[in-house]
Amino acid sequence: QLQLQESGSGLVKPSQTLSLTCAVSGGSISSGGYSWSWIRQPPGKGLEWIGYIYHSGSTYYNPSLKSRVTISVDRSKNQFSLKLSSVTAADTAVYYCARGARKTMITFGWFDPWGQGTLVTVSS
Amino acid sequence: EIVMTQSPATLSVSPGERATLSCRASQSVSSNLAWYQQKPGQAPRLLIYGASTRATGIPARFSGSGSGTEFTLTISSLQSEDFAVYYCQQYNNWPPSYTFGQGTKLEIK
Repeated sequence: QLQLQESGSGLVKPSQTLSLTCAVSGGSISSGGYSWSWIRQPPGKGLEWIGYIYHSGSTYYNPSLKSRVTISVDRSKNQFSLKLSSVTAADTAVYYCARGARKTMITFGWFDPWGQGTLVTVSS
Repeated sequence: EIVMTQSPATLSVSPGERATLSCRASQSVSSNLAWYQQKPGQAPRLLIYGASTRATGIPARFSGSGSGTEFTLTISSLQSEDFAVYYCQQYNNWPPSYTFGQGTKLEIK
């Protein structure tokens, strides 16, 4: 059974870079056929897709965050990572990693499974 | 950006009754729509994809319908464990820019 687990700093100062890692177990991140996404949820609010990477290393980002986001993969460790630069209080959220199912040869769709999420607070 | 609008924001239903949740897209997403359930302190759980296909392990009381811009999630006979927040998500765009609805909170009446 595939499992995802987020880890990283829970407190980041304004203007600094948020860094999180998602460890994948029970399956290989390199097996192909899936995308690997980051999604966030501000406290008490809804869900926002941040971006994804897939086995070729190609990435796609939410246009609203694109200038600040980098998603990368470390196949040797079976994990992928998120960096979000120049953070502000508006970036305070629970950050989830999730696997995206393949819809067509080059597109992906729904998210399943999800990690348990990790709260990141932006504060000085 | 495709905007997803869910209604109502809160739905009060008694256990054993039927619940109907709606999701509208600002432009057609064909059948590229998923539904998730989220309980407090937990990650979302996939219920439905392709607008009407139940995910593995999801009980038959959950059903999805619709296409284009109008979608419905129906829970036929509410159980205590079904009271949660439900989100819809579209995955129709290329290049990808997935968007979620703002959620419907299903509460016990």
